[in-house]
Amino acid sequence: EPEVTQTPSHQVTQMGQEVILRCVPISNHLYFYWYRQILGQKVEFLVSFYNNEISEKSEIFDDQFSVERPDGSNFTLKIRSTKLEDSAMYFCASRAASSYEQYFGPGTRLTVT
Amino acid sequence: QKEVEQNSGPLSVPEGAIASLNCTYSDRGSQSFFWYRQYSGKSPELIMSIYSNGDKEDGRFTAQLNKASQYVSLLIRDSQPSDSATYLCAVKRTGRRALTFGSGTRLQVQP
Repeated sequence: EPEVTQTPSHQVTQMGQEVILRCVPISNHLYFYWYRQILGQKVEFLVSFYNNEISEKSEIFDDQFSVERPDGSNFTLKIRSTKLEDSAMYFCASRAASSYEQYFGPGTRLTVT
Repeated sequence: QKEVEQNSGPLSVPEGAIASLNCTYSDRGSQSFFWYRQYSGKSPELIMSIYSNGDKEDGRFTAQLNKASQYVSLLIRDSQPSDSATYLCAVKRTGRRALTFGSGTRLQVQP
């Protein structure tokens, strides 16, 4: 069964450094998403991406964040200058055009020290 | 008022019993509703989606939707210890791409 994959599974970085989180959505899916979950809190929407552009973003997704689909399979989230409060699990999700069901990847645990 | 509300639990049921998980939402413009299961330290796993009023069954799971009452529920029949997890209710509002999640209900199935 096809699934969303994410790398790395765990990333440790120092405050102020740039990080890139990578995702490979399910191959025939056209809509891509990033969510985050701070430890002990709810899953929060960051951004959605369709047809090579951002279709919706939340208040969390400020100028420090960017997304890109650099090729036909990868979808990336970049955080330009990480802050301590960016420490969280980051989940990529994707869905097909024919359904609203979003499928989540295993996540990347980002730890900012 | 929270957009999506769930009782945090824990909800404790004996093995073989029916577990009933509830969720209310505030936006009447919501159109699509989802239940995810999340094991500790893992990602949300989609269990069910429901779009119309009424019941939708899939194996041991039944989702129920009542748009007039802004209420969605998940029933798990013949609960197993492996069902012990946090169950997340997620709502998609009309015209929005995002899913809005509740805080989740922790379910414990006692063997």
